[in-house]
Amino acid sequence: GEDVEQSLFLSVREGDSSVINCTYTDSSSTYLYWYKQEPGAGLQLLTYIFSNMDMKQDQRLTVLLNKKDKHLSLRIADTQTGDSAIYFCAETSYSSASKIIFGSGTRLSIRP
Amino acid sequence: DAGVTQSPTHLIKTRGQQVTLRCSPKSGHDTVSWYQQALGQGPQFIFQYYEEEERQRGNFPDRFSGHQFPNYSSELNVNALLLGDSALYLCASSQDRAVIGYTFGSGTRLTVV
Repeated sequence: GEDVEQSLFLSVREGDSSVINCTYTDSSSTYLYWYKQEPGAGLQLLTYIFSNMDMKQDQRLTVLLNKKDKHLSLRIADTQTGDSAIYFCAETSYSSASKIIFGSGTRLSIRP
Repeated sequence: DAGVTQSPTHLIKTRGQQVTLRCSPKSGHDTVSWYQQALGQGPQFIFQYYEEEERQRGNFPDRFSGHQFPNYSSELNVNALLLGDSALYLCASSQDRAVIGYTFGSGTRLTVV
């Protein structure tokens, strides 16, 4: 079946790098995503990676994909207070192209 | 350019009642998907509408139904509400199957008492 798992909480010091990890079970995943959700807001797509890639960099964000281990990570460089939010790992697959499967989210807390 | 608009923003209903939630997609989008996000959980796919028909459905009972109108807006209906239906209901729009281009609304917070 399809399942996406991630740790619930992460606390980092302002200015440090944050690394949020995720594992998934669907070997036919096509796209893997990182979404951000701030209080009272909907989901914002931060970045995504196609399953035939192993890394993608976009300004402060770096996504690493280990397809063999079905492991996805999001690194946020120079973490700021505005990065405080819940981050969701998600995936779509060939068999269910219309729906996105989300993890339970990682709450990122920034300490001064 | 308005994004995805959902109404109402908050709603309180009594167990056993019926509720209708509404969604207007982003301009240029023709596909609407609905997700349920329980407290502390990730969103779960309910169903997707395209060309006024339900194209794909997640693991939700028949109490959950929907509709898409010719102007691409959509409604989510839930009958015989249960306490467990309390959640944030998110609408997402896109162009056909383009999941990369999903735009989410801010959601409707439904509380069933």
